Amino acid sequence: AQTVTQSQPEMSVQEAETVTLSCTYDTSENNYYLFWYKQPPSRQMILVIRQEAYKQQNATENRFSVNFQKAAKSFSLKISDSQLGDTAMYFCAFMTSGGGADGLTFGKGTHLIIQP
Amino acid sequence: DVKVTQSSRYLVKRTGEKVFLECVQDMDHENMFWYRQDPGLGLRLIYFSYDVKMKEKGDIPEGYSVSREKKERFSLILESASTNQTSMYLCASSPLGDRVTYEQYFGPGTRLTVT
Repeated sequence: AQTVTQSQPEMSVQEAETVTLSCTYDTSENNYYLFWYKQPPSRQMILVIRQEAYKQQNATENRFSVNFQKAAKSFSLKISDSQLGDTAMYFCAFMTSGGGADGLTFGKGTHLIIQP
Repeated sequence: DVKVTQSSRYLVKRTGEKVFLECVQDMDHENMFWYRQDPGLGLRLIYFSYDVKMKEKGDIPEGYSVSREKKERFSLILESASTNQTSMYLCASSPLGDRVTYEQYFGPGTRLTVT
């Protein structure tokens, strides 16, 4: 069974600062997918960024980037130039590469607050 | 845009009642999922389905059942609701085959309170 650990229940930074959210996972699989999902207050969960384990290059999406360390089983999310709209719950998630038919294993989440 | 809708945003039921939570997606996705979200526990997978009439148990299926009679609709059933099933329930869908991206698309959630 896979486990995902987010060790920061809550973080708070000033607008325009850079913030890094931590995630570690445990698996015996070699091929898998990792995700960061964002859940804004009272709004739907949306995908922020995705990383395929077989790719060495770290994924980036505009202000969002990851630091994927496969050997260390670490998958942190960096948000640059943080904005008020980044305030949300952030969940790290894992999926085995079983053709996409499997569910996600989530961490407990990090509540990120961007202060004006 | 993918749209996943859930029948209710808020629901209050009494202990012992049979509860139906409905989820509909409009993108012809093969996969559908039910998660439960609790503070400090994150999201946990209850059941999922990769095809009509197919279902697979997730990590916490006890006390729940599901039904998928049509591709676009996935129902979560609480046969006899209990107070420990008070939670936020999230539905999600994703495509398979040639359209697989591994991204799941979530509904707005149903906050269920069992009294």
